[in-house]
Amino acid sequence: GAVVSQHPSWVICKSGTSVKIECRSLDFQATTMFWYRQFPKQSLMLMATSNEGSKATYEQGVEKDKFLINHASLTLSTLTVTSAHPEDSSFYICSARVWGLAGVSNDNEQFFGPGTRLTVL
Amino acid sequence: LAKTTQPISMDSYEGQEVNITCSHNNIATNDYITWYQQFPSQGPRFIIQGYKTKVTNEVASLFIPADRKSSTLSLPRVSLSDTAVYYCLVGDYGQNFVFGPGTRLSVLP
Repeated sequence: GAVVSQHPSWVICKSGTSVKIECRSLDFQATTMFWYRQFPKQSLMLMATSNEGSKATYEQGVEKDKFLINHASLTLSTLTVTSAHPEDSSFYICSARVWGLAGVSNDNEQFFGPGTRLTVL
Repeated sequence: LAKTTQPISMDSYEGQEVNITCSHNNIATNDYITWYQQFPSQGPRFIIQGYKTKVTNEVASLFIPADRKSSTLSLPRVSLSDTAVYYCLVGDYGQNFVFGPGTRLSVLP
């Protein structure tokens, strides 16, 4: 249990286009999901916290108008990279926090998706 | 959020025990210590979590001294497939994770 999926796993797009990445919790409900980005050989950087039914909370330096986050249901959060440019090329990873899911998780454990590699030409 | 410090990289040979130590000098009373493993082009995977003393599961052990200012992840008898980046994170319930640079473990044949 506690599986998080992402779609697509990789995407190549032209500069100026928008790309939507989906993050789904497959067998549990996640009121809170997180979006990270990771550049090669670097650590994960938290971009935003996505709460079901409310606006996302963005980390300092992350443009909310460029990285649109929607968390319309308890099992789905989407990240849309608008007007993508080559510098947005990165590995985008989502995670979901599960609270004390008996027999599955530890408190404050996050379950991560497999990631989406975005390449902007 | 407590800041963590880990060695940037470590090398080991197959079959050896590997210990990765993480320093978190300003850990708060309610903070838990969590370790994740990440393979290239994959999301991090939970390894182990603890609050104090020793925690053991099927893949690793976590040693936390009484002052909780550090913790050591112990991987018994590593194999080539354990080559990955290992992250130590510290936080309270509800706090967001702040990933440090992690420790890049290379297991050699």
